[in-house]
Order: sequence, then C-alpha cells, then structure tokens
Amino acid sequence: DIQMTQSPSTLSASVGDRVTITCRASQSISSWLAWYQQKPGKAPKLLIYKASSLESGVPSRFSGSGSGTEFTLTISSLQPDDFATYYCQQYNSYSVFTFGPGTKVDIK
Amino acid sequence: EVQLVESGGGLVQPGGSLRLSCAASGFTFSSYWMSWVRQAPGKGLEWVANIKQDGSEKYYVDSVKGRFTISRDNAKNSLYLQMNSLRAEDTAVYYCARFSGLEAHFDYWGQGTLVTVSS
Repeated sequence: DIQMTQSPSTLSASVGDRVTITCRASQSISSWLAWYQQKPGKAPKLLIYKASSLESGVPSRFSGSGSGTEFTLTISSLQPDDFATYYCQQYNSYSVFTFGPGTKVDIK
Repeated sequence: EVQLVESGGGLVQPGGSLRLSCAASGFTFSSYWMSWVRQAPGKGLEWVANIKQDGSEKYYVDSVKGRFTISRDNAKNSLYLQMNSLRAEDTAVYYCARFSGLEAHFDYWGQGTLVTVSS
C-alpha cells in the first residue's frame, strides 16, 4: 500500500505569512493528489485536486504543485480563516485511497 | 446545491451492528461513485469504502473487509453502510462523500455522524 507523510505536523504562522506544506508518497502517484482543509467539528473541504487544480470557489491564495512522490500546498498570504488542519489524499486506483496524517496550521 | 446528510450513528456495544444512511440531494446521485470516510476522535481521515454508480463494484479498506458493507438505492438517492462485528477502534465520525470519479477526489462531504463502540 502507498503511504503518505506530511511535514510539518504543526506549523505556527502569522497572518500575511507565506505557508508551505509538503506531502510525500511512498511511491509515484503521478498527479493523483488532492488537498483538503478541515476546521474543528466540521467536514473536510476540498481545496486542490490533480495536484494543482484549484477547486471552484477556493481563494486563489491557495495553490498546489508537484508530481510523482512530492507535492506542496502553498498559501501565499495566510488569512485568519485559514487556521485549520490540512490533509493530502492520494489515489492510485478505485480500490485504495490514503490520506496523509495532517498538518495543523495555528496562530504564532 | 449539493447536500449529503448522514444519520444512524450512536452508541453500540462491541460486537454489535449499526446501519448508517446518507441522503443525497442537489445532484444526479446515480451518476456518481460514493464513499464513506471516517475520522476517529482527535485523529486523521481514513477512507472506508467506495461504491460504483450502479453498485456493481465495491471497495473497502482492509480493516473493515468482511465486517462492513456499502450499498446504495439510486431510487431513493441514498447511500448506506452496514457495520457488523463492531470494535472499539471503529469509533469515529463517519462522513458520506461524493467521489469525483476520473479526477480522483472527494468533492462534497456530509456533516458526519458519530459512531461510538463501547460497553
């Protein structure tokens, strides 16, 4: 099975900061990677799919990049609404999906 | 507006059974793969199961194979998860999610329903 790691596990940042979260897969997943944002007590929200495609309605300060085994989610200028936990998710067939362990972005 | 509303969660003893339901609206339910994803308290997300549009293909995470069954009723726009032989480690919020298909992500999620397995 493909394993996913994320770094860092926790990130402390200030409003206006540029934030980068890294997700790594244990083997190549091409561009089959999505990013989600989750706030406490709420369902996850899709931000990015196919590694770099921005979901409709998601602010343009969010961007994704990468392919193969290494991917990044970047928030160009952190806003108060962005303090949350972020998960990556891989897909390599209809039979298995795996989420990363999450990165919590909190206030510095 | 796409809406997914889960129900059926609750407290159940180890070894017991529970059936979760998800009522879908705002899209053509029969045109999409559907999924269940769970989240144990304070933990990350774990994909549980997927089902094809017509129910002919179903996939499960290894930890629930043989115990959980995903199903759907397209006439009722509903998704189900029958959970048998429940264990303490199945305790989680269970989310119903729409699977996008070819682009391989979960684009809409319900609010979740909590399942607690405890004696």
